[in-house]
Amino acid sequence: SQQGEEDPQALSIQEGENATMNCSYKTSINNLQWYRQNSGRGLVHLILIRSNEREKHSGRLRVTLDTSKKSSSLLITASRAADTASYFCATDLNTGGFKTIFGAGTRLFVKA
Amino acid sequence: DTEVTQTPKHLVMGMTNKKSLKCEQHMGHRAMYWYKQKAKKPPELMFVYSYEKLSINESVPSRFSPECPNSSLLNLHLHALQPEDSALYLCASSQGRARGSGRQETQYFGPGTRLLVL
Repeated sequence: SQQGEEDPQALSIQEGENATMNCSYKTSINNLQWYRQNSGRGLVHLILIRSNEREKHSGRLRVTLDTSKKSSSLLITASRAADTASYFCATDLNTGGFKTIFGAGTRLFVKA
Repeated sequence: DTEVTQTPKHLVMGMTNKKSLKCEQHMGHRAMYWYKQKAKKPPELMFVYSYEKLSINESVPSRFSPECPNSSLLNLHLHALQPEDSALYLCASSQGRARGSGRQETQYFGPGTRLLVL
């Protein structure tokens, strides 16, 4: 089974609204990353949060990490139509750094 | 240059064909990855090369054969594939400094090769 599970599976919002996506994982991690993927294309790294961090910001992105609940959230504020994409969380398995497991992903659709 | 390139962009092959996917990066990264991604699913790790040596093989069938000729190139040789192998194949690279440290690194992805096996 996957290390990361995300909800919601799909999210449709109006431009200007905020979008929140959640990720849960099962085993201990060193850090957690969020990636974005436009339809049928490669993934783009958004943000990395380490296991000893609780919150991180990058532009309109805010990521939180709760290691006690094994969960993370990605908040996109003031969404734009160009934010329409799939968003994946990715975790390691604390096994040497290279083994990355992606969550199921949230498909975000921002209506103009 | 922060780009990972992949060729070809699209590939259609029969089950008896032999083909190769190519990936290239010039960021000086020493870790390179192959992922398989089916529609509406997350990428699944197939192989990881670290310093040109195979580091991880996620029990991938032998009809997929990776090769890392040098630190900038990564190939995936395909032979006798099945229709269920049709997918988007993604290549990625990372610095490779986390080897043995347990620290996950940021990965830079190529645009992928969309493979259709008939």
